[in-house]
Amino acid sequence: QQQVKQSPQSLIVQKGGISIINCAYENTAFDYFPWYQQFPGKGPALLIAIRPDVSEKKEGRFTISFNKSAKQFSLHIMDSQPGDSATYFCAARKYNTDKLIFGTGTRLQVFP
Amino acid sequence: DAGVTQSPTHLIKTRGQQVTLRCSPKSGHDTVSWYQQALGQGPQFIFQYYEEEERQRGNFPDRFSGHQYPNYSSELNVNALLLGDSALYLCASSFQGPREKLFFGSGTQLSVL
Repeated sequence: QQQVKQSPQSLIVQKGGISIINCAYENTAFDYFPWYQQFPGKGPALLIAIRPDVSEKKEGRFTISFNKSAKQFSLHIMDSQPGDSATYFCAARKYNTDKLIFGTGTRLQVFP
Repeated sequence: DAGVTQSPTHLIKTRGQQVTLRCSPKSGHDTVSWYQQALGQGPQFIFQYYEEEERQRGNFPDRFSGHQYPNYSSELNVNALLLGDSALYLCASSFQGPREKLFFGSGTQLSVL
């Protein structure tokens, strides 16, 4: 049973463009929604995160948009760069636990 | 300041064998979580150790067990290996205060033949 659904599976964007990755969740008992970036041969690294009482959070070129009623959240990467080429995972944490439930990942390729 | 370190980086085992993976948390961290990442999938939570005890567990069989030492380092043990146990095993550490600050190691790639 997949509790966090992520799309698209892969994404190709031109340098300077906007990359958008979407996630949807089923369980309303989630209280924290992070995004992780993973390069080949490395572990995931926390990129940006949001709590459900906020509709948007921006850090540099990265923005999370959160729609609590629709149970959806998305990652926007502005001015995408070749160095952003990686696999991105959304995740959700169950309330009062430390257990993160990850999406299936989106492989982003940014071409110059 | 060293981050989360895991050893070994790669491991090849055969079905039925047992394996032990090791993790040293980031300096100042006292909590260790283990995740299994199958090829092309997101990480799946195995369990978490704090104060040398298993505090939370995901949907993994008892073949998966762990340990945390007084210096906060941790081990993941898998008995009676199956082909399906082939995956990248990730260790993540955090401090009990800001639980969102989860730092992952680069993982141990386990191949079961």
